[in-house]
Amino acid sequence: GAGVSQSPSNKVTEKGKDVELRCDPISGHTALYWYRQRLGQGLEFLIYFQGNSAPDKSGLPSDRFSAERTGESVSTLTIQRTQQEDSAVYLCASSLNPPPAGGTDTQYFGPGTRLTVL
Amino acid sequence: KNQVEQSPQSLIILEGKNCTLQCNYTVSPFSNLRWYKQDTGRGPVSLTIMTFSENTKSNGRYTATLDADTKQSSLHITASQLSDSASYICVVSQTSVRSGGYNKLIFGAGTRLAVHP
Repeated sequence: GAGVSQSPSNKVTEKGKDVELRCDPISGHTALYWYRQRLGQGLEFLIYFQGNSAPDKSGLPSDRFSAERTGESVSTLTIQRTQQEDSAVYLCASSLNPPPAGGTDTQYFGPGTRLTVL
Repeated sequence: KNQVEQSPQSLIILEGKNCTLQCNYTVSPFSNLRWYKQDTGRGPVSLTIMTFSENTKSNGRYTATLDADTKQSSLHITASQLSDSASYICVVSQTSVRSGGYNKLIFGAGTRLAVHP
């Protein structure tokens, strides 16, 4: 079956422009997560969706960042008025939550979108 | 502060040799500890998950250990192969009561391993 997919794979934009990043999770996965990975650094949590609601948005760095999820599948991360500090790889992951009996809530990651803000 | 620290930052070994990567954490409340492998330009892939009560877990040539008392973990790679060249990320899962009990992941910065022929 298909894994987590993200698009675009690369995005170059000018400072001040808005960008939308898309994530298609594994079919049936109720939980979806967005992370940011700056060059040479660990992943930073941004937001967690359970179904279409976002019970934990604590990682969004500013009000320029927002995300939504529709139909318990696709999610879009939007960054408004991009800044150079937003340059990073944005990773999406999905999991079964709650996990199946005897199973785990392993998060499966997409390949990421590399965002470059000039 | 919830942190996950890994050492070394980078490591070069010859093909066929063994190596051990270290992870120290200060995360509470602790749910489980995971090791991920991240190839360049790809998303992380899970290698092992260990709960509080597990001391060791293997996945092929990868063996992870956990000492929950000292809050340390290690990942041992046996008989390394060129394809083991990647970043290895230690991830500690923190149970988030606020959001209904989902496991929030806190990532280390990773150890970049290069296996040379």
